[in-house]
Amino acid sequence: DGGITQSPKYLFRKEGQNVTLSCEQNLNHDAMYWYRQDPGQGLRLIYYSQIVNDFQKGDIAEGYSVSREKKESFPLTVTSAQKNPTAFYLCASRGRNYEQYFGPGTRLTVT
Amino acid sequence: GQQVMQIPQYQHVQEGEDFTTYCNSSTTLSNIQWYKQRPGGHPVFLIQLVKSGEVKKQKRLTFQFGEAKKNSSLHITATQTTDVGTYFCAARGTNAGKSTFGDGTTLTVKP
Repeated sequence: DGGITQSPKYLFRKEGQNVTLSCEQNLNHDAMYWYRQDPGQGLRLIYYSQIVNDFQKGDIAEGYSVSREKKESFPLTVTSAQKNPTAFYLCASRGRNYEQYFGPGTRLTVT
Repeated sequence: GQQVMQIPQYQHVQEGEDFTTYCNSSTTLSNIQWYKQRPGGHPVFLIQLVKSGEVKKQKRLTFQFGEAKKNSSLHITATQTTDVGTYFCAARGTNAGKSTFGDGTTLTVKP
């Protein structure tokens, strides 16, 4: 069963803690993306990676970090420096025609 | 940077009425994609438009790309309750490794 998996679906953390969101794909796609979605809003790009061992900042990278050590995996760390971390986080990979395939998302709540 | 405006933000229709959402870019685009996100779900790719003036149809959905490749529209004929959700456009500029998403149009359908 091919696709993008994100875990966990719901995540709760205390303020001041770093948290890492998982994203795995078995579609053999080179490019992967992380987006943040706030209620009633669109998708804002956090980071993207076009190839293994390379990644670029998106529009709202402050307070986040990523790594891309393997083609299949693109984890996102939400650091304590992120001022408003509570949000819905979506990971995606890009197909050969530039279409994006999204994972089910992780809803992060920080209190 | 590239700006993408999508209107309207919300649209409420009676089942059977038509629906249209518009996407406008500040710059000429390489392509534009449309996605649908059901309530509580993740965005799902619908279609990609590449050519100037292109029109594509998927059953009751009609997608258009403007002649200047700066705007696009999605039209749904005779809406059904299964059409509810948020429709996003994603615009890719020339020489861009990433797309910019519009804020989406949320469609509700009253049976």
